[in-house]
Amino acid sequence: DGGITQSPKYLFRKEGQNVTLSCEQNLNHDAMYWYRQDPGQGLRLIYYSQIVNDFQKGDIAEGYSVSREKKESFPLTVTSAQKNPTAFYLCASSTHRGGGTNEKLFFGSGTQLSVL
Amino acid sequence: AQSVAQPEDQVNVAEGNPLTVKCTYSVSGNPYLFWYVQYPNRGLQFLLKYITGDNLVKGSYGFEAEFNKSQTSFHLKKPSALVSDSALYFCAVRLGSNDYKLSFGAGTTVTVRA
Repeated sequence: DGGITQSPKYLFRKEGQNVTLSCEQNLNHDAMYWYRQDPGQGLRLIYYSQIVNDFQKGDIAEGYSVSREKKESFPLTVTSAQKNPTAFYLCASSTHRGGGTNEKLFFGSGTQLSVL
Repeated sequence: AQSVAQPEDQVNVAEGNPLTVKCTYSVSGNPYLFWYVQYPNRGLQFLLKYITGDNLVKGSYGFEAEFNKSQTSFHLKKPSALVSDSALYFCAVRLGSNDYKLSFGAGTTVTVRA
């Protein structure tokens, strides 16, 4: 999966609980992303980070939080404020200021989050 | 806002026949267009991209795509489909090299029957 590791593969959340999804990359990429995949809706961007200690909200950031303390890591926390968290979550990375052949995203194998 | 549309939820073809997966885009500037493929329970894999230059782009696994500015389309094609091409295909668009947001279509499920 291109050097991106997501864990766990399956995660269950109880009502009112915060859960954290892990994403680690060893590709030395500057940019990292979190997408949510729902059937029939494609991928929607939650948060992205262009560089360490900086991140921006995507299209559906409400109920989620992230941190980028290290270049290799971009964990996503699904908070209790996210009322419909059941989905497949994908982490991705790419080189900074992509140009030419460097603009493609490399994806992890995903985490399926379900609500108990 | 930038967006892409994939008008077909599913495409079914027989092995050996041509495969086409449709995509149209809507952006206010010059688009950067991508195709990704997702095999069951896996992350997405890059197939090909259009940045500038030749309108016909060749990618991985024998796929190609044609950029048509007048029709705002970027259809994915393969001359002879394989059963192993059965997967979920996504079209995506980015507006410029400094735009980090990649917007994806809803996806098209391709089934190739033997």
